[in-house]
Amino acid sequence: AQSVTQLDSQVPVFEEAPVELRCNYSSSVSVYLFWYVQYPNQGLQLLLKYLSGSTLVKGINGFEAEFNKSQTSFHLRKPSVHISDTAEYFCAVSDKRNDYKLSFGAGTTVTVRA
Amino acid sequence: DAMVIQNPRYQVTQFGKPVTLSCSQTLNHNVMYWYQQKSSQAPKLLFHYYDKDFNNEADTPDNFQSRRPNTSFCFLDIRSPGLGDAAMYLCATSRGEAALNEQYFGPGTRLTVT
Repeated sequence: AQSVTQLDSQVPVFEEAPVELRCNYSSSVSVYLFWYVQYPNQGLQLLLKYLSGSTLVKGINGFEAEFNKSQTSFHLRKPSVHISDTAEYFCAVSDKRNDYKLSFGAGTTVTVRA
Repeated sequence: DAMVIQNPRYQVTQFGKPVTLSCSQTLNHNVMYWYQQKSSQAPKLLFHYYDKDFNNEADTPDNFQSRRPNTSFCFLDIRSPGLGDAAMYLCATSRGEAALNEQYFGPGTRLTVT
């Protein structure tokens, strides 16, 4: 069975500083990987996804992530954060064995301070 | 432009009193999902409809049921809510398989059980 581990539950960061959110997955087959963002009292919004091809994926709001198959990781980065990036971030994985349903990590809360 | 709408946003019910949560979509997507998200946890898939085909997750309690009378609407019925069912319930839609097609989430309904 697939699983997702988000290594940091809380990440405080100052405005305009870079941020990296770590995500590792386990799966015995090829996977698809996703990052979602959840702003307070809202649903989830897709930031970016990796299906195939280039391992560096660019998403919305200046975020990017890199798929590393050997390290089974899909870390999310942003070079300069804004106050508005304060939110919960979820990494998710899907694969054929699980009928392509999404399995989410526990989430990382990012708090951006001025 | 609302695409996935959930009503109500906040629902309070009494222990054991049946409750229905509603989801509607304007995207004409053929797949609709219900997730349960408890505080500080990852969303957990309860079930989904692929067109009219209902797909229940193996560990979803019998207390949770769903109805999809047409493409646009999907309901989550909790027959006898317990205190442990207090959570955010998220509805999502996609056009076809989730991995290849983005899931669009509604804002969620926060359920309180008293």
